[in-house]
Amino acid sequence: EVQLVDSGGGLVQPGGSLRLSCVGSGFTFSTHYMYWVRQVPGKGLVWVSGIDYDGSNTGCADSVKGRFTISRDNAKNTLYLQMNSLRVEDTALYYCASYEGFWGQGTLVTVSS
Amino acid sequence: DVVMTQSPLSLSVTLGQPASISCRSSQSLVSSDGNNYMYWFQQRPGQSPRRLIYWVSNRDSGVPDRFSGSGSGTDFTLKISRVEAEDVGVYYCMQHIQWPHTFGQGTKLEIK
Repeated sequence: EVQLVDSGGGLVQPGGSLRLSCVGSGFTFSTHYMYWVRQVPGKGLVWVSGIDYDGSNTGCADSVKGRFTISRDNAKNTLYLQMNSLRVEDTALYYCASYEGFWGQGTLVTVSS
Repeated sequence: DVVMTQSPLSLSVTLGQPASISCRSSQSLVSSDGNNYMYWFQQRPGQSPRRLIYWVSNRDSGVPDRFSGSGSGTDFTLKISRVEAEDVGVYYCMQHIQWPHTFGQGTKLEIK
């Protein structure tokens, strides 16, 4: 069974950091482009960042540029999102997804003092 | 950035009737390989999104054949031939031809 399991969310103060993880199983993780999407509850989907097979090519939304970094460890079948200088407006449910159509269950990030 | 514009933003449909959602992109989504780099997703209440359609018209595994996608370039359409109760949710288009990828605003489908 194909699975993506997101984790690492939590409550953090403005200016703080978090690292999200997404572990894939049931498919060949290293052959999938991957990306992160976020969603404020009740609002639409927002693409955050993406990465190619081996991490040599990445892209991100302007709203997180310079603060968030996407990476992957194919040996561990894991995708990461390092989030620094967090802002209140980064509060959302964060999903990882593969370009082959698989999605995680989401992990909630709350930025609040 | 490529702007994706969906219409309508909400849709109320009688069970068994068809539904259609439009998505327009501010730039062509046709790549040099001839494919249109565009997905359709469904998000049911309380669930993670699920991809329905890739490359405009290809259904993902397990997606009922009442769902179909069409279009090319900048104009795309998702059609549901006969709406069922399980189709309630929000539908999104997303372009992945260039970074940053972008989603449409979403179209909320409800049963009349």
